[in-house]
Amino acid sequence: GEDVEQSLFLSVREGDSSVINCTYTDSSSTYLYWYKQEPGAGLQLLTYIFSNMDMKQDQRLTVLLNKKDKHLSLRIADTQTGDSAIYFCAERGGDKIIFGKGTRLHILP
Amino acid sequence: GAVVSQHPSRVICKSGTSVKIECRSLDFQATTMFWYRQFPKQSLMLMATSNEGSKATYEQGVEKDKFLINHASLTLSTLTVTSAHPEDSSFYICSARAPGGGHGYTFGSGTRLTVV
Repeated sequence: GEDVEQSLFLSVREGDSSVINCTYTDSSSTYLYWYKQEPGAGLQLLTYIFSNMDMKQDQRLTVLLNKKDKHLSLRIADTQTGDSAIYFCAERGGDKIIFGKGTRLHILP
Repeated sequence: GAVVSQHPSRVICKSGTSVKIECRSLDFQATTMFWYRQFPKQSLMLMATSNEGSKATYEQGVEKDKFLINHASLTLSTLTVTSAHPEDSSFYICSARAPGGGHGYTFGSGTRLTVV
């Protein structure tokens, strides 16, 4: 069945780059997403990538997709304290979105 | 952009009572909405797909009589947790597909339900 895996924690120093990795199993996924969730809040769509793309860049965010290995990554350049949150990788097959467990990003001063 | 409003943001109720959570699409019509449940430090688990004017489609393992979904209009879906128990305490989030389809899924801000 569908499954999305990502590491649970990441600590990064302020100003460094953060790289959050994700693997998925559904090769028929059409879109892959990165969502951000701050404490007690809903989900905010950060960025997405269509399955026929390898890379997408949007300001400080860079998404890389390796479709052969079913590997997705999110790079946040110049990480700031406001980036502290949980980041969810998600894949879409049909109308359903399947989420990973989320990576908690902790920013070190 | 498309906005989904979810209310209430927090609710505390007694065991055995029912709680209704509303999910509204504010500036667009949503024929399909989705209800998720999030356990602490866990991912979002899709509970059901709410279809306007028809019955909801529940995921395996979700009790349809326990979690009643009504999607009576193109802008409103409700989730009612019936005869709530402490194990129903969780964070519930709704989502709607924004106009134009594609990647546009918008999420509500979530409802923290605590059953005491």
